[in-house]
Amino acid sequence: EAGVTQFPSHSVIEKGQTVTLRCDPISGHDNLYWYRRVMGKEIKFLLHFVKESKQDESGMPNNRFLAERTGGTYSTLKVQPAELEDSGVYFCASSQDYGGSDTQYFGPGTRLTVL
Amino acid sequence: LAKTTQPISMDSYEGQEVNITCSHNNIATNDYITWYQQFPSQGPRFIIQGYKTKVTNEVASLFIPADRKSSTLSLPRVSLSDTAVYYCLVGHHPAYSGAGSYQLTFGKGTKLSVIP
Repeated sequence: EAGVTQFPSHSVIEKGQTVTLRCDPISGHDNLYWYRRVMGKEIKFLLHFVKESKQDESGMPNNRFLAERTGGTYSTLKVQPAELEDSGVYFCASSQDYGGSDTQYFGPGTRLTVL
Repeated sequence: LAKTTQPISMDSYEGQEVNITCSHNNIATNDYITWYQQFPSQGPRFIIQGYKTKVTNEVASLFIPADRKSSTLSLPRVSLSDTAVYYCLVGHHPAYSGAGSYQLTFGKGTKLSVIP
């Protein structure tokens, strides 16, 4: 079974540009999460999709970040315009909904560097 | 969300058993304890999850005392490839207790270095 995949693995852009990150969850997983780790900090939650609906977007830092999951399959996270402080590693995770214990499986992450 | 406390780092020789203890004094009744492992340049990888007593899988064992205020991840006979950061997380799926999402809260983790 294929794991969570993310694309690209690394992106380098200039401040003010737009970048779109993609996440393909494990097939059949309704839950999709985005997290990120900025320089020297801990991994922080950004948002959670259940199928195509946003269940919780309390971790999104500001309106420069837009996440979508059309059709309830893959998800994209767009940063527009990118700022220097957006640099970090963006992780995607997916899970099935088993009730009390919901194991999330992470992708390898996309490293974003904003110059 | 229950706060967790774990060692910042640990060193171990190859072949030894490693035990990493995590404190979670404010764990709630419906919280589970989950451990993740993360290698450099990779995403966190699920290792083991438990609610009480002992859980064992092909990778590790998880010991949880009756009061559930702490847990211990046990890695048998570590090898160099076990060098990684290990995270202890405590939380529950909101389907258990209502609407919401199950966002994982990561701390700083324990950096395990295995020495030849």
